[in-house]
Amino acid sequence: EAQVTQNPRYLITVTGKKLTVTCSQNMNHEYMSWYRQDPGLGLRQIYYSMNVEVTDKGDVPEGYKVSRKEKRNFPLILESPSPNQTSLYFCASSLSGSWSMNTEAFFGQGTRLTVV
Amino acid sequence: GQNIDQPTEMTATEGAIVQINCTYQTSGFNGLFWYQQHAGEAPTFLSYNVLDGLEEKGRFSSFLSRSKGYSYLLLKELQMKDSASYLCAVPLGGYNKLIFGAGTRLAVHP
Repeated sequence: EAQVTQNPRYLITVTGKKLTVTCSQNMNHEYMSWYRQDPGLGLRQIYYSMNVEVTDKGDVPEGYKVSRKEKRNFPLILESPSPNQTSLYFCASSLSGSWSMNTEAFFGQGTRLTVV
Repeated sequence: GQNIDQPTEMTATEGAIVQINCTYQTSGFNGLFWYQQHAGEAPTFLSYNVLDGLEEKGRFSSFLSRSKGYSYLLLKELQMKDSASYLCAVPLGGYNKLIFGAGTRLAVHP
């Protein structure tokens, strides 16, 4: 089954404790991205990756890191989480970042992160 | 820069028709996506428009006017399960970012 898998689904952590949210896709997609979703603000892109070893900042990259060492995996790293990073996070993948028909994004099930 | 506007909330009656609007401003245009998102779940793809006009897909249709920077999603024969948020998204011209509107929360009542 074609899917994007995120882990964990829920996470409560303390300020300053490094954490990683994993994301894996099995569709051989080139493009992967991370979003955070907050009430009233919609989905905001954190980082995206056009392909292996190619990553770039989205609209809200501060406080986050990513890496793309393999095509299927795109982990999101919070080196020193803060309460303002409490949010619902989605990983997504697309066939390509050159947008056209059949390049729709497939989303993971989300990770609800709480930083206290 | 880029900006996407959608109404925050809409309500409609089961069996009726509802139109959800989206206006956008981007430098360059590479199409427009619509997604559906049920509460607490992941967004799922509904439609993609890159040419002007209406694209029909079952009960859902999507319209685009590039000259007006305007799109709408038309939902016919509304069902209770259509209660969800509807997200409009456009690629940012010249970049590889995909930018989403804040979404329209649709409540369908019996």
